[in-house]
Amino acid sequence: AQSVAQPEDQVNVAEGNPLTVKCTYSVSGNPYLFWYVQYPNRGLQFLLKYITGDNLVKGSYGFEAEFNKSQTSFHLKKPSALVSDSALYFCAVENSGAGSYQLTFGKGTKLSVIP
Amino acid sequence: DVKVTQSSRYLVKRTGEKVFLECVQDMDHENMFWYRQDPGLGLRLIYFSYDVKMKEKGDIPEGYSVSREKKERFSLILESASTNQTSMYLCASSLHRGNTGELFFGEGSRLTVL
Repeated sequence: AQSVAQPEDQVNVAEGNPLTVKCTYSVSGNPYLFWYVQYPNRGLQFLLKYITGDNLVKGSYGFEAEFNKSQTSFHLKKPSALVSDSALYFCAVENSGAGSYQLTFGKGTKLSVIP
Repeated sequence: DVKVTQSSRYLVKRTGEKVFLECVQDMDHENMFWYRQDPGLGLRLIYFSYDVKMKEKGDIPEGYSVSREKKERFSLILESASTNQTSMYLCASSLHRGNTGELFFGEGSRLTVL
């Protein structure tokens, strides 16, 4: 079985400061990893994904994430937070070898950027 | 741009009613999914479909059924709604059968069962 843990229910950061939203995963094979963002009363939007190759992945809106196989982590980062980044963030994992094309999502982390 | 449209943003139904949630995607995607989202639980997969007339159970299929008669349309059916099915329902689609595809989500349907 595959699983995702987002250890923080909420992260608060001041505008202009760097932000990190944490994610760790468990999967039997090689992982495909994703980050999605949800703005209030909206569906989820894709931010970025790691499939293979460079461990640092760049995505939409200036976000990036670093795949760390030894720590089974895929933390989302941004150098300088904006108030408009305030949203709910979901990490997701897929087992590349399972052929099931099912994503398992974490429970989400609410990011609040304080002006 | 890919568009996934869910027919109803907000619904209020009574216990025991039959509920249909409709989802249409306009980009010829093969895969379609229904999730429910609850605070503190994240997204949980109810059913998915990788082809017309095909369906597979997800993690929480009990109390739900689905229908995919056309490639672009995937319907979620609650045969007899119960209060514990009050939730946000999210439809999604992805292009390719197999791994690595990103999901495109609809805006969600918030269902309240009284």
